Amino acid sequence: DAGVIQSPRHEVTEMGQEVTLRCKPISGHDYLFWYRQTMMRGLELLIYFNNNVPIDDSGMPEDRFSAKMPNASFSTLKIQPSEPRDSAVYFCASCPGSGSRNEQFFGPGTRLTVL
Amino acid sequence: KQEVTQIPAALSVPEGENLVLNCSFTDSAIYNLQWFRQDPGKGLTSLLLIQSSQREQTSGRLNASLDKSSGRSTLYIAASQPGDSATYLCAVPWANTDKLIFGTGTRLQVFP
Repeated sequence: DAGVIQSPRHEVTEMGQEVTLRCKPISGHDYLFWYRQTMMRGLELLIYFNNNVPIDDSGMPEDRFSAKMPNASFSTLKIQPSEPRDSAVYFCASCPGSGSRNEQFFGPGTRLTVL
Repeated sequence: KQEVTQIPAALSVPEGENLVLNCSFTDSAIYNLQWFRQDPGKGLTSLLLIQSSQREQTSGRLNASLDKSSGRSTLYIAASQPGDSATYLCAVPWANTDKLIFGTGTRLQVFP
């Protein structure tokens, strides 16, 4: 398996533009997580899905952020409109199950810069 | 509320030393603990997952221990190498959910 795949790896955009980040989880994994990492706040969980259904989105900072998982092999995180304070590295992770099976595997991340 | 602390925040050692990285958590009702490695500009790599029923887990030169009752885990790195230089993070599930709470990490530098 290729592991968790994220695209793009780098994104530079201007304030106010829409940004879409993409993730393909490991095949057979039932859970998908979106994280954001900054120097100031470390790793923060934004939202996670189980079997394509959002379970907890309490970490989504505001309404400008939205995430979807239309099928088991694809998820998007969208920011509209983007702001400079959204600049961070966004990670996607997946795991095969819950409880003792929740070993998470991370993608390489998308480094977002909003000018 | 689950809080995860890692000590030390940074460590710089010569090659060959045996190292101990510490992770402590406030809520001992966890079913596992995971150790990750993060290289600069890269994603997180899972190193070890230790279940609550286990006391130790080993992978190569790495050994992780878990003491739920005291809220502690240690990651032992034997015979450190420059290639071990990275940030090491521990994470525990929050309140029997599937959300992971991460520590702030230990930044390790091993010099030749």
